[in-house]
Amino acid sequence: AQRVTQPEKLLSVFKGAPVELKCNYSYSGSPELFWYVQYSRQRLQLLLRHISRESIKGFTADLNKGETSFHLKKPFAQEEDSAMYYCALSGSVRGATNKLIFGTGTLLAVQP
Amino acid sequence: SAVISQKPSRDICQRGTSLTIQCQVDSQVTMMFWYRQQPGQSLTLIATANQGSEATYESGFVIDKFPISRPNLTFSTLTVSNMSPEDSSIYLCSVRGRSTDTQYFGPGTRLTVL
Repeated sequence: AQRVTQPEKLLSVFKGAPVELKCNYSYSGSPELFWYVQYSRQRLQLLLRHISRESIKGFTADLNKGETSFHLKKPFAQEEDSAMYYCALSGSVRGATNKLIFGTGTLLAVQP
Repeated sequence: SAVISQKPSRDICQRGTSLTIQCQVDSQVTMMFWYRQQPGQSLTLIATANQGSEATYESGFVIDKFPISRPNLTFSTLTVSNMSPEDSSIYLCSVRGRSTDTQYFGPGTRLTVL
């Protein structure tokens, strides 16, 4: 079964500390993995996707197929990074393409 | 990226009534989706809105409860029928980008059923 697991509901760090938001997935094919972010009172927005291999706002995520993980990392957290982060998987399910399966989300709180 | 708007942004409804949520996109898109986010939960796909044909529903969601229309490539509606307090959620519309697998989300409609 397709599944995305984010084991931490809340991650609290101090400003300047490294951040790692964990994401593991279960998928039988070749998935597309995404990180979405939702800042307070804003809509859900794409942060990055594994295909792009880019760094956005200092965040990176590497797809590890052996460990079926797509952890989100940032070396130095900023207060403005405080938000809800969702890991998501896109794959073909029952012939319906591009269905996004979301994890339960991790609330990142960066303390001053 | 597409600009997506939803109406209403929020509503408080009585049990047994129905509410229709509108989703408007500023460009033509092939795929539109409706998600539900229950309080404290993650997003769950309700259905894929197909232009010119019936929506494709996910397991646990049925057309009688969540009828969907998609009259053209820029607009869709989701109706939450015969509401109960368990339907209190945020309902989100999303679209797939034209040349990517990325989905873009609307601002959501916060529904409270009393």
